[in-house]
Amino acid sequence: GESVGLHLPTLSVQEGDNSIINCAYSNSASDYFIWYKQESGKGPQFIIDIRSNMDKRQGQRVTVLLNKTVKHLSLQIAATQPGDSAVYFCARGNRDDKIIFGKGTRLHILP
Amino acid sequence: GAGVSQSPRYKVAKRGQDVALRCDPISGHVSLFWYQQALGQGPEFLTYFQNEAQLDKSGLPSDRFFAERPEGSVSTLKIQRTQQEDSAVYLCASSLDLNNEQFFGPGTRLTVL
Repeated sequence: GESVGLHLPTLSVQEGDNSIINCAYSNSASDYFIWYKQESGKGPQFIIDIRSNMDKRQGQRVTVLLNKTVKHLSLQIAATQPGDSAVYFCARGNRDDKIIFGKGTRLHILP
Repeated sequence: GAGVSQSPRYKVAKRGQDVALRCDPISGHVSLFWYQQALGQGPEFLTYFQNEAQLDKSGLPSDRFFAERPEGSVSTLKIQRTQQEDSAVYLCASSLDLNNEQFFGPGTRLTVL
């Protein structure tokens, strides 16, 4: 069926360490995958996306990895900062179609 | 420039009341989306517009939900005879076109008592 889910609801990371947020998906018919960051009281904010024909994409302090064999997606945040505290959603989309969101992982930064 | 704005930010309604939620997309954005986000969940698609045309309303949970975008800019999501299960944050997003990045507004938190 169409679902995008996450392994862990909460992730606690020491400030300065790297964070890895994981996501599993069940529907292979997706053109691209997206990571969003949502802070309290705000709407989701686009972080990075990756097309289904890629396995890695890097942005500023973030890297997304896509493993189509095991249907797994991850977001790596380097040198985690207090401002990275938020809920992170993976989502999938198809060309000319809507975006399907997963349930989210809360990232908590320890001082 | 200004981002997507939504009003009101908070709305409390008694069960059975009708509500109207407004979305002002980014100027020039052709596509507009509505999502419903229950507490602790990810946003769920409700409907989307391309200009004034409502191209997909498959996510609207019941016929009590109605959305419009008559002039291809501002959109209104109307919920008739609200029920407690309608309590959620309603998010609006806009994009230059369907396949471009969606920019989200802050949402309207609806509480139905």
